[in-house]
This record gives sequence, C-alpha cells and structure tokens, in this order.
Amino acid sequence: AQTVTQSQPEMSVQEAETVTLSCTYDTSESDYYLFWYKQPPSRQMILVIRQEAYKQQNATENRFSVNFQKAAKSFSLKISDSQLGDAAMYFCAYRSAQGGSEKLVFGKGTKLTVNP
Amino acid sequence: DTGVSQDPRHKITKRGQNVTFRCDPISEHNRLYWYRQTLGQGPEFLTYFQNEAQLEKSRLLSDRFSAERPKGSFSTLEIQRTEQGDSAMYLCASSLENPRRAFFGQGTRLTVV
Repeated sequence: AQTVTQSQPEMSVQEAETVTLSCTYDTSESDYYLFWYKQPPSRQMILVIRQEAYKQQNATENRFSVNFQKAAKSFSLKISDSQLGDAAMYFCAYRSAQGGSEKLVFGKGTKLTVNP
Repeated sequence: DTGVSQDPRHKITKRGQNVTFRCDPISEHNRLYWYRQTLGQGPEFLTYFQNEAQLEKSRLLSDRFSAERPKGSFSTLEIQRTEQGDSAMYLCASSLENPRRAFFGQGTRLTVV
C-alpha cells in the first residue's frame, strides 16, 4: 500500500519570504500522480499543484513550485513571496495511475503560518 | 456558487442514531468521491462513484456505512448506529473524466455524543 509522509507538522514563514514544505512517499508503482492541496481554516480543500510521475520537469503554478525527485520518492512544495492568504494546512497526496484505483492517499498535513 | 455543495455543514447526533449526508457535485462532473478526515489527520478515502456506479470502496467503509448516487447526480452517505469513533469531517469531491482534478466541498462535520 502506498503511504505519504509529511515530516513537518508546522512551519512558519515571514511574509514575502520563501518556504519549502517536505513530502516523501512510498510506492512500488512507476506511474502515478502527486498533488499538493491547501485547506484554509473552515474552507474547502483546493488543489495547489499537480505532478505526473512520468514528467521529469517540475510543475510550477505562479508562486508555487515543486521539487520532484522520483528516485528519492520526494515531492516538496516551494512557496515564493509568501502572502498572508497562504496560511493554511497543506496536504501532500498520491494517486496511482495503474490498476484503476481512484483514491487519493494523503499525508497528515503541514500547518503553515505566515507572519506579517 | 457552482462548487461542490455538502449538507448539512454540521451534525450532532447521539450514539446509536442514524445520520445521512448529502453531496451535490459540480453539475458536469461524472466522478464523485467521499473522504473522512479526523482531527490532525489527512483525509482518508471512503468510496468513489463513476456516474451512478460505485466502483471502489475502502475497507474503512464498514457495514454501517452506505453510499448511493442515484441517477449519477447527487450522492448520499448514510451511517447507521453511529459510534463516537465516527466523529469526523466527511468530505465530498467531484471531478471530470479528464482532467481528473478533484474539487472538494466544505465538508460535513459530524459529532457523535
């Protein structure tokens, strides 16, 4: 079974600075997808960024980028120019691209605080 | 608002009672998912529908849990004989076939007393 580990329960960053959230995963599959989701307090979870495992190029979405290291099974999220609105729980998630399973496997999350 | 809608937002029930939650997906989305999130944890997959067919169920979905999606539109999740361990946030998500990007609702927070 696949597992996702987020080793940082909490992180903080100064507004306008850069922060990196860590995620590692365990799988025996070669084809899969990785995601970072953001869950603000009392708000719905939204997709921040997505990475296909077969793509070597790291995904980027505006101020959000990932460092995908397939051999190391590492998938970190970098947030540049942090804003107060970035404060939230961030979840790393895995989904298989094989075998027809649709489930997302989530880590326990990292709570990000942005200090003004 | 054309996002995923869940009702109710909060539910407090006594142990042993039955509860039912509703999820209205984004209208053109044919895929619908249920997840459970307990305090301090990430969401855990419960079940998945493609149109009206329930194609995947987690072992977490015990016999007390049942989910339906009649006519491939809204979905309901029923928990029978609730237990305190059922207290959690129940999240619904929906997606298109392609791209398979899941949009989540705000969830139903269940408290079993």
